[in-house]
Amino acid sequence: GQNIDQPTEMTATEGAIVQINCTYQTSGFNGLFWYQQHAGEAPTFLSYNVLDGLEEKGRFSSFLSRSKGYSYLLLKELQMKDSASYLCAVSSGGSYIPTFGRGTSLIVHP
Amino acid sequence: GAGVSQTPSNKVTEKGKYVELRCDPISGHTALYWYRQSLGQGPEFLIYFQGTGAADDSGLPNDRFFAVRPEGSVSTLKIQRTERGDSAVYLCASSPTSGNTGELFFGEGSRLTVL
Repeated sequence: GQNIDQPTEMTATEGAIVQINCTYQTSGFNGLFWYQQHAGEAPTFLSYNVLDGLEEKGRFSSFLSRSKGYSYLLLKELQMKDSASYLCAVSSGGSYIPTFGRGTSLIVHP
Repeated sequence: GAGVSQTPSNKVTEKGKYVELRCDPISGHTALYWYRQSLGQGPEFLIYFQGTGAADDSGLPNDRFFAVRPEGSVSTLKIQRTERGDSAVYLCASSPTSGNTGELFFGEGSRLTVL
């Protein structure tokens, strides 16, 4: 099985930077996803990391360390609309089916 | 439509009834996934289709749950003898290929409430 751990809730200030961590334990690791989910809406894709290192995409960056079973999502220049749940998901095994963590609820306040 | 479509968006039923939830994936996507999500939790995997066949149904909680995808496009998730614990949002997602290394495209979900 897989064990994915991420904080339940985080708060941050508009304009600031926030880092959301995710640790995992799995065998046959393929890659790690980050999804954003606003309340009552579908999850939307943010990033997919296969190799170690940092990948930057606009205000969002995602980091992976496979040896440590660790990833983080970095959000810069926070905006109020970034208030959402951020889901870490790990793909492993031959079927590449993502297994999701419980999500981190990010609250951005003025 | 351009995205994954799920119907109904909301379904309220009584304990013991039968329900069907429909998913219409993005045209041309061969892989289709069903997840369910309870409040405050991440999506929980149920079943994965590659084409018409269920490639992995290890997430189905018991034999009251069944899903089909007879023509490799639309899928229906069927729940028999519903229980209050089945209440959740049922999410469908699709992706272009098997051995997927990219994103899943999710529908808005079907919110099931069992009274």
